[in-house]
Amino acid sequence: IAGITQAPTSQILAAGRRMTLRCTQDMRHNAMYWYRQDLGLGLRLIHYSNTAGTTGKGEVPDGYSVSRANTDDFPLTLASAVPSQTSVYFCASSAGGEGDTQYFGPGTRLTVL
Amino acid sequence: GQNIDQPTEMTATEGAIVQINCTYQTSGFNGLFWYQQHAGEAPTFLSYNVLDGLEEKGRFSSFLSRSKGYSYLLLKELQMKDSASYLCAVRDSNYQLIWGAGTKLIIKP
Repeated sequence: IAGITQAPTSQILAAGRRMTLRCTQDMRHNAMYWYRQDLGLGLRLIHYSNTAGTTGKGEVPDGYSVSRANTDDFPLTLASAVPSQTSVYFCASSAGGEGDTQYFGPGTRLTVL
Repeated sequence: GQNIDQPTEMTATEGAIVQINCTYQTSGFNGLFWYQQHAGEAPTFLSYNVLDGLEEKGRFSSFLSRSKGYSYLLLKELQMKDSASYLCAVRDSNYQLIWGAGTKLIIKP
């Protein structure tokens, strides 16, 4: 693994189903983030984690949950998907500290019908 | 509220120079980032400014004026591969990134 990987690449999901998007990084970065990207809008932060064992809410956390059991993995769960959660989801990580740069995974395109 | 403004779309000619502007109003300022995003791909880091002035990196330069809440990304000697969206993001007082909607740059031969 080099950098950040996300799975699945894309998914079509029925409304009401539960779904977990996976994110793994091998850079030993402290901080990890989940964003959603919708047409005409900037990236919006869903949840973040500054270090393993801690998580925080971003701008649009409702309907999503995360966990950070270790440094490398940061899964995002949709407990009961709704059509408004149709989006492209990006996971990112950063080393931490002032001026640190966020590096992005390839994204997951999710469609909720 | 917090706001990042960028033009939605710009068109330029191969070999020319283009300037993409970004204005921001945020709760605090801890740096400004520019990212490039090709269609269907992830954003990739281009530049970071935290002090006023110009940062040059090859064909790309980024300028910041904190007093004006203003930045621009300057792309020189445009190539077809520069066709992409360019995202401006500001790190606020909580050290979270606030993102603009991006500027789609179309390069014509």
